[in-house]
Amino acid sequence: GAGVSQSPSNKVTEKGKDVELRCDPISGHTALYWYRQSLGQGLEFLIYFQGNSAPDKSGLPSDRFSAERTGGSVSTLTIQRTQQEDSAVYLCASSSEAGRTQYFGPGTRLTVL
Amino acid sequence: AQKVTQAQTEISVVEKEDVTLDCVYETRDTTYYLFWYKQPPSGELVFLIRRNSFDEQNEISGRYSWNFQKSTSSFNFTITASQVVDSAVYFCALRKMNTGFQKLVFGTGTRLLVSP
Repeated sequence: GAGVSQSPSNKVTEKGKDVELRCDPISGHTALYWYRQSLGQGLEFLIYFQGNSAPDKSGLPSDRFSAERTGGSVSTLTIQRTQQEDSAVYLCASSSEAGRTQYFGPGTRLTVL
Repeated sequence: AQKVTQAQTEISVVEKEDVTLDCVYETRDTTYYLFWYKQPPSGELVFLIRRNSFDEQNEISGRYSWNFQKSTSSFNFTITASQVVDSAVYFCALRKMNTGFQKLVFGTGTRLLVSP
């Protein structure tokens, strides 16, 4: 596609439920990134995928967070047993390869009640 | 450790005024990239510019200009003759220049409000 797309654009869930957020990177981009933007923490890196290599999970805040990337394209970020502090905008970005400029999607706004 | 500071939380100007957004960074790396991104109300981060640490030449693109000064670890962004459409949150970011993945380290952003 023309740009990075994310779905849903908004998600409201109850504390304790699991959620899945989807990211569709720019066609042909091999690198994919997840970031979280929250009021108190600004923009934080979560996880990075490059091709078929093992992902860099160094930014994931807890083991309730996981992500996968199927077929080297679409990625899903899963948050299990959501907590209110998980409320944030989750941004996905992609780049043509590692080290190249990252282009961001519109984000998913997650609200945990 | 890397750090990016955007001391201005919010700036309000009237259309046609010039405005400068400050960015100060800290890094122990000798080679790195600096970025500016714009986040309009729609939420999407829009890439504006990337500068290499070894290239201190200032850059101008239309109404936008960037002043990179290694001596003061600053990478300031000026909008000339601001317009209402410039209203957004602007983020400065830093990344090592090593090959492969290096995460972007963002500042906390500056919200720019341009009123007619």
